[in-house]
Amino acid sequence: KAGVTQTPRYLIKTRGQQVTLSCSPISGHRSVSWYQQTPGQGLQFLFEYFSETQRNKGNFPGRFSGRQFSNSRSEMNVSTLELGDSALYLCASRVGEDTGELFFGEGSRLTVL
Amino acid sequence: GDSVTQMEGPVTLSEEAFLTINCTYTATGYPSLFWYVQYPGEGLQLLLKATKADDKGSNKGFEATYRKETTSFHLEKGSVQVSDSAVYFCALTIMNRDDKIIFGKGTRLHILP
Repeated sequence: KAGVTQTPRYLIKTRGQQVTLSCSPISGHRSVSWYQQTPGQGLQFLFEYFSETQRNKGNFPGRFSGRQFSNSRSEMNVSTLELGDSALYLCASRVGEDTGELFFGEGSRLTVL
Repeated sequence: GDSVTQMEGPVTLSEEAFLTINCTYTATGYPSLFWYVQYPGEGLQLLLKATKADDKGSNKGFEATYRKETTSFHLEKGSVQVSDSAVYFCALTIMNRDDKIIFGKGTRLHILP
């Protein structure tokens, strides 16, 4: 069974640009969550989607947005990039919204110059 | 609000030493508790879990017991190996409320040969 797949794995952008990251969950998983990981702040929750609806949202500015498609694949978008957005962005899927175990992808490492 | 507090790292031990990584939580309700591990260059993966008080989760020689009276879920291993070097995250979720999974900041573990 294929795991959670995130693309791209690495990318470099400049301030002011925007970026879109993609996540394909494990087959059959309907919930996708996004996290930002930085050395200083640790793992911070961005948002969770279940059946194309945003179910939970973390404390991030509106520049961070996401969506989920009918096949459960998800994208997150960051507009007007800032230097502080440099981070590892992790996607995780789970079977349903009421199951605790998350399955993580390897992440997309974003560097903003 | 709900939160998870873990001991600060990095923790450096010699091979075959005894490991304890402390984790305490604050939650309204009855959380399920988890330990996740992140090996270098990878996403997080579930190490073990416990869903009710006095449950013991175990995997790969690691153990943690859900202690409701002390609101703790400390991770232990009797004899660590170099391959255990990783970042360890304690996490909680409260099912059937918002189902959000809350992570601690992570503890980096270095095992010296």
